[in-house]
Amino acid sequence: LAKTTQPISMDSYEGQEVNITCSHNNIATNDYITWYQQFPSQGPRFIIQGYKTKVTNEVASLFIPADRKSSTLSLPRVSLSDTAVYYCLVGTRGGFKTIFGAGTRLFVKA
Amino acid sequence: DTEVTQTPKHLVMGMTNKKSLKCEQHMGHRAMYWYKQKAKKPPELMFVYSYEKLSINESVPSRFSPECPNSSLLNLHLHALQPEDSALYLCASRPLGGRDEKLFFGSGTQLSVL
Repeated sequence: LAKTTQPISMDSYEGQEVNITCSHNNIATNDYITWYQQFPSQGPRFIIQGYKTKVTNEVASLFIPADRKSSTLSLPRVSLSDTAVYYCLVGTRGGFKTIFGAGTRLFVKA
Repeated sequence: DTEVTQTPKHLVMGMTNKKSLKCEQHMGHRAMYWYKQKAKKPPELMFVYSYEKLSINESVPSRFSPECPNSSLLNLHLHALQPEDSALYLCASRPLGGRDEKLFFGSGTQLSVL
C-alpha cells in the first residue's frame, strides 16, 4: 500500500475554506484515495473518496491531479465543529487492508 | 440501519480477567474489521474478516482472539492483557463486491487494563 504524508496540524478560522494536501508518491494504478474525519473518542467517519480528477459531495471536495501522487481535501466554510483529525488513506480496489496514516489535526478558531 | 454498534462503551479489566468486546452491524456488509487506537495516534489495523473468515491478522498477540460467528457479529475475546493494551478498540464494516469501498465505524470500546 502506498504510504501517505500529511501535515501534522493546521489552524483555520470559522468561515474560511480549508485545504489539506496528502502526498502518496507510490500510488498504484488500481489504488483509490479516501478521507476520513475523526472526533475524540469516536470512530472515524467517511468524508469522500476518489480515483482521479475532482469529486464533490455535500461535505467536501477532493482534487486529484493527473499524476495522482497527491490529493487535496477541500472543506468549504469551516465551522468550530469541523475541528477534528482528518486522515488520508490509499487503498487497493478489492483489497482489504485499510491502513491509516498519521492524520492532520485541524483546529478551527472563532 | 447504517450503524455499527459496539458494546460495551467502556471496560475496565484486570490482567487476569477474560472479557469480550462485541460489534454488530445489519447493513449486510461482509467485511468486518478490528482496529486499536491509542490516544493521539491513528487507528492500527488488527484483524479483518471477509465472509466470516479471517483474512488478515496483523501479527496481533494471541491474548487477542477474534471471532466472527455470523455475518452480522464480530467479537474480540481478551485474556491476560497488559496495561499497554489499554486503548480505544474500534470495529468497522464494509460492503464487498461493489464500487463502495468505505468503512463504517462504530464508536468504539474504551478499554482500561489495570
